[in-house]
Amino acid sequence: AQSVSQHNHHVILSEAASLELGCNYSYGGTVNLFWYVQYPGQHLQLLLKYFSGDPLVKGIKGFEAEFIKSKFSFNLRKPSVQWSDTAEYFCAVNGGGSYIPTFGRGTSLIVHP
Amino acid sequence: NAGVMQNPRHLVRRRGQEARLRCSPMKGHSHVYWYRQLPEEGLKFMVYLQKENIIDESGMPKERFSAEFPKEGPSILRIQQVVRGDSAAYFCASSPPIGGDFYEQYFGPGTRLTVT
Repeated sequence: AQSVSQHNHHVILSEAASLELGCNYSYGGTVNLFWYVQYPGQHLQLLLKYFSGDPLVKGIKGFEAEFIKSKFSFNLRKPSVQWSDTAEYFCAVNGGGSYIPTFGRGTSLIVHP
Repeated sequence: NAGVMQNPRHLVRRRGQEARLRCSPMKGHSHVYWYRQLPEEGLKFMVYLQKENIIDESGMPKERFSAEFPKEGPSILRIQQVVRGDSAAYFCASSPPIGGDFYEQYFGPGTRLTVT
């Protein structure tokens, strides 16, 4: 069974700091990878996704993620965070043609102005 | 293009009552997924449905929980005889037919169920 690990459960940053959130998965075959964001009181929205091609994926709001197959990782990055980035971030993985993504536990990001 | 719609947004039930949560997928989407989110936890998959078919219910408790996606109308997640442990946010997601962005899911705003 596939699993997804998000190592940082809570991250606190000041505005303009750089962000990197870790995501590792445990499936050896072809995968589809996603990062979702959940702003306070709102539903999940897709930040970015990787299906194939360039392993460096650009998403909305200045976010990017890099798929490193050898490390089974799909870390999320942003060079300079803003207060409005305060949210919960979820990594999700579809593997082996499964229709059901497995979600990580989530990382709560708080950005201080 | 309306997104995934869920209602009610908030639902309060007493122990022993029934809870019915509704989900209308995005237009053109034929696949619906239900998830449960507990505080400090990620989303836990419950059930995956296509029109009139349950494809995968491996994440749904065997008792008291049921789901349907009829030919007409929204998908319904039904919880009978609710208990306090059922209090959670329940999210619905939909995806397009197979091919294209099939693996990308679009989420609704969720229903927050509180059992008193």
